[in-house]
Amino acid sequence: ETGVTQTPRHLVMGMTNKKSLKCEQHLGHNAMYWYKQSAKKPLELMFVYSLEERVENNSVPSRFSPECPNSSHLFLHLHTLQPEDSALYLCASSQDLVDTGELFFGEGSRLTVL
Amino acid sequence: SQQGEEDPQALSIQEGENATMNCSYKTSINNLQWYRQNSGRGLVHLILIRSNEREKHSGRLRVTLDTSKKSSSLLITASRAADTASYFCATVNRDDKIIFGKGTRLHILP
Repeated sequence: ETGVTQTPRHLVMGMTNKKSLKCEQHLGHNAMYWYKQSAKKPLELMFVYSLEERVENNSVPSRFSPECPNSSHLFLHLHTLQPEDSALYLCASSQDLVDTGELFFGEGSRLTVL
Repeated sequence: SQQGEEDPQALSIQEGENATMNCSYKTSINNLQWYRQNSGRGLVHLILIRSNEREKHSGRLRVTLDTSKKSSSLLITASRAADTASYFCATVNRDDKIIFGKGTRLHILP
């Protein structure tokens, strides 16, 4: 079983749909992250959670809504998205936020907004 | 804001040759990390080098760090077809913020 699991792997949605991306980590880590990866752009950090508390929100539009019910699970709720939101969404975890070491990534959720 | 900047953006070499990728950054760091990403997959951590270290090895990987020049290099020796991927450097600054560069696309030719 991989350390960080993301579902679904692929998602196609219309601009009026509501969907959610799920991330689960089995590593006992305290910090979890959402990244957005678009073509020809660096990875964009979207949200950071530490011990279930959001510690960073990098000016992400409100149509993206994160939820961290416990230290093992992270969700990204999607609502009224735009075609430019089509991207690979990557979840990651690390042991802690302080003296950040290795990030463990999931395989990503490929989102296409029609 | 972007911190690490990889160079070159793309690199094609023959199998068996060595591949070198560089990363430059702008602000002081706690550590610098290199990751690999196969097409459409998640990133995989390769190696972490701390700001007080100058060189680190892991298998066929060799990473150097020059804090005076704010640069790092990743050397892959005796490249293989399976090394074809994108390689990213990520800097962790004093505030523990992790910032990734745009990556180098490496293609190993048979």
